[in-house]
Amino acid sequence: NAGVTQTPKFRILKIGQSMTLQCAQDMNHNYMYWYRQDPGMGLKLIYYSVGAGITDKGEVPNGYNVSRSTTEDFPLRLELAAPSQTSVYFCASTQGDRVTLAKNIQYFGAGTRLSVL
Amino acid sequence: GNSVTQMEGPVTLSEEAFLTINCTYTATGYPSLFWYVQYPGEGLQLLLKATKADDKGSNKGFEATYRKETTSFHLEKGSVQVSDSAVYFCALSPSGGSYIPTFGRGTSLIVHP
Repeated sequence: NAGVTQTPKFRILKIGQSMTLQCAQDMNHNYMYWYRQDPGMGLKLIYYSVGAGITDKGEVPNGYNVSRSTTEDFPLRLELAAPSQTSVYFCASTQGDRVTLAKNIQYFGAGTRLSVL
Repeated sequence: GNSVTQMEGPVTLSEEAFLTINCTYTATGYPSLFWYVQYPGEGLQLLLKATKADDKGSNKGFEATYRKETTSFHLEKGSVQVSDSAVYFCALSPSGGSYIPTFGRGTSLIVHP
């Protein structure tokens, strides 16, 4: 079971560079999310998607963009990297079920550790 | 809006000690409640869950009971091990069709031999 796969695991960027963090899930989940985790600060939601073609902003979307062309993939784009974007990024997915609430477990990838210098 | 408040860490215990990590929440209706665990260098993974009042979630010796009257979901374990050292996150998934969860800030647990 692959679950949620994130690539790359580590990356160092220079200020102003751009990159795409990849996320793929093989559970046919409707909902996908991008979070960033800063030390001692918990998780902050960047963007989320409720299905292919539909995305929306979370708590901290500035400096990021997303797209969702398929159910499986949800890439996160950093256009002009800044030191404030140094963080650990997690992608997650969930089924989104109104009836069986126990299905609304979030499944997380292993994370991408990004440093912007 | 929804919120989850966890006790601040780190919590430092000796092996075989009793563990409690407090979690309280604010939400309308009947949210589902979760505890996730994050081991060093890894993503979060589900530890246990409860979807209605008075439900008890349990896994790997950990337990938490959904208390609607006190809006709490405290995590407990009778005897911790060094391998339980990790960060623990309390979270809620709101009722009513929104699948945007709210996470607490996380509580770091350090267990010494």
